[in-house]
Amino acid sequence: DAGVIQSPRHEVTEMGQEVTLRCKPISGHDYLFWYRQTMMRGLELLIYFNNNVPIDDSGMPEDRFSAKMPNASFSTLKIQPSEPRDSAVYFCASSLGAGTYGYTFGSGTRLTVV
Amino acid sequence: AQSVTQLDSQVPVFEEAPVELRCNYSSSVSVYLFWYVQYPNQGLQLLLKYLSGSTLVKGINGFEAEFNKSQTSFHLRKPSVHISDTAEYFCAVKGGGSNYKLTFGKGTLLTVNP
Repeated sequence: DAGVIQSPRHEVTEMGQEVTLRCKPISGHDYLFWYRQTMMRGLELLIYFNNNVPIDDSGMPEDRFSAKMPNASFSTLKIQPSEPRDSAVYFCASSLGAGTYGYTFGSGTRLTVV
Repeated sequence: AQSVTQLDSQVPVFEEAPVELRCNYSSSVSVYLFWYVQYPNQGLQLLLKYLSGSTLVKGINGFEAEFNKSQTSFHLRKPSVHISDTAEYFCAVKGGGSNYKLTFGKGTLLTVNP
């Protein structure tokens, strides 16, 4: 298995532009999580899905952020419009069941908004 | 609500020395506990987990951790570290039942010097 695949690895964009981050979870995993990592706030859970349905989006910072999971093998996190304070590393993770086996993380997308 | 406190943000040690990375948690329910490692520019990788049973848990790369319910701690140890163990280590807690969120600590940067 190739693991959790995220793209792009790096993204540099100008303030105000739309940014789309992509994630392919491990086949058969039924939970998908989006995390954001910054020096100041550490790892924050943004949203998670179960069987493609959003379960908890209370961590999404504001309406500029949206996430979708149109099928079991693909999810996107969109920021529109982007702002410099959105600069961070965004991780996608997937798990089988309730996560007692732990999550499998992707390599992350490093987003820089200038 | 659950939370995790990693008491040391940085731990420098010399190669072949023992190391302990400290983690305390708070939760109103029974918990599952995890340690993850993050190497530079990579995602998080599961080191070990405590779900139930024996309080001493062994993981990959020679690491082990001990669950102490009375002290609400889950400290990570290794008897002899290598240069390659230099990385950031995250402690995480997951509540039982229908709570599928993993809450992470702020991380401890372990630097192994020659």
